Amino acid sequence: TQLLEQSPQFLSIQEGENLTVYCNSSSVFSSLQWYRQEPGEGPVLLVTVVTGGEVKKLKRLTFQFGDARKDSSLHITAAQPGDTGLYLCAGVTSGGTSYGKLTFGQGTILTVHP
Amino acid sequence: GAGVSQSPRYKVAKRGQDVALRCDPISGHVSLFWYQQALGQGPEFLTYFQNEAQLDKSGLPSDRFFAERPEGSVSTLKIQRTQQEDSAVYLCASSLGSRFLDRPITQYFGPGTRLTVT
Repeated sequence: TQLLEQSPQFLSIQEGENLTVYCNSSSVFSSLQWYRQEPGEGPVLLVTVVTGGEVKKLKRLTFQFGDARKDSSLHITAAQPGDTGLYLCAGVTSGGTSYGKLTFGQGTILTVHP
Repeated sequence: GAGVSQSPRYKVAKRGQDVALRCDPISGHVSLFWYQQALGQGPEFLTYFQNEAQLDKSGLPSDRFFAERPEGSVSTLKIQRTQQEDSAVYLCASSLGSRFLDRPITQYFGPGTRLTVT
């Protein structure tokens, strides 16, 4: 069974602080995705990382994929209240009859206080 | 709208009742996924359709759960004899799919149906 462990589970910070969320897998996925989910809505894709060692930046968000493609991190610089939400990492399984199946971590609930 | 829609948005069922949850995917999307999300947790895969074919149902928790997509578009997730542990948000996602198995794809999620079993 492929599992994704996310940490921390809860994060409460002040506006302007930096933070990092970690995602660790017991095995290798074909790619890894990060999502953000707000209450009453479905997850929305932020980024997909495919290559080991890859780094992607999305404004104040920086995503890294480990060299062995089993771990990833999300770093937010100068957090804002609008960043509040549930952040999810998900491993993508490709091939066979399970193509595109997502295995999610348990999520990190981020609260940014003004 | 052009997004994935789900209905109803909220459903309250008494234990033992049957429920049916509907998903309208984005037009033209080949792949359709159902996920179950418990409160404060990440979604868990239930089942996957490619057009009308159900290619993976390994995540369905019991034989009380049944999903169909008869015409390769709208999908229905049915739960028979609901139990309290079935209370969760049920998410549907669709994607274009791809012939290239190593190509990352984007799944577009609906808002979910929150099921509460009392």
